[in-house]
Amino acid sequence: EDQVTQSPEALRLQEGESSSLNCSYTVSGLRGLFWYRQDPGKGPEFLFTLYSAGEEKEKERLKATLTKKESFLHITAPKPEDSATYLCAVQPTGTASKLTFGTGTRLQVTL
Amino acid sequence: NAGVTQTPKFQVLKTGQSMTLQCAQDMNHNSMYWYRQDPGMGLRLIYYSASEGTTDKGEVPNGYNVSRLNKREFSLRLESAAPSQTSVYFCASSELVTGTYEQYFGPGTRLTVT
Repeated sequence: EDQVTQSPEALRLQEGESSSLNCSYTVSGLRGLFWYRQDPGKGPEFLFTLYSAGEEKEKERLKATLTKKESFLHITAPKPEDSATYLCAVQPTGTASKLTFGTGTRLQVTL
Repeated sequence: NAGVTQTPKFQVLKTGQSMTLQCAQDMNHNSMYWYRQDPGMGLRLIYYSASEGTTDKGEVPNGYNVSRLNKREFSLRLESAAPSQTSVYFCASSELVTGTYEQYFGPGTRLTVT
């Protein structure tokens, strides 16, 4: 069974304090790993797709990396506007377009 | 370009009532999905439609039905609502991009069943 586990469940950072969020996954074969941002009361917003181990993608203060068993979302010098829940999802091979989501990491960045 | 839109945004039902959640996308995507999101459970797939004219069950289909009305619209129906269906419902759409399907989500419908 495909599984996605995210840690920590919640993270509180001060502005400028860099950190990483973890997404561990178990799938028979990986077609793609996705990161989403979700603000309270809104739908998930697509951030990145990673396809293979060793791949990295960046967007502003966010950098996502991928290994064969996990992905990290690195947040460099975060700002209060980075506060949100970050979701990880995997698309296994042979499952057409279905995704399996983790439960997310709730990030709060304070001044 | 509105992306994915959902109606209504909020709904309160009594046990046994029925309702239909509407979803439309203007990105010309072939695939559409319905998820529910509950605290501590993450997003769970209810039904999906890989292309116009096809629908398939996801992880939690019991108590729901869907209709892919055309390429743009995908509706979710609760025939006899139960308190266990209290949740936030999200519609999403996707298209094949470099071998994967990047899904784009609507703003959600917050449903309470009393």
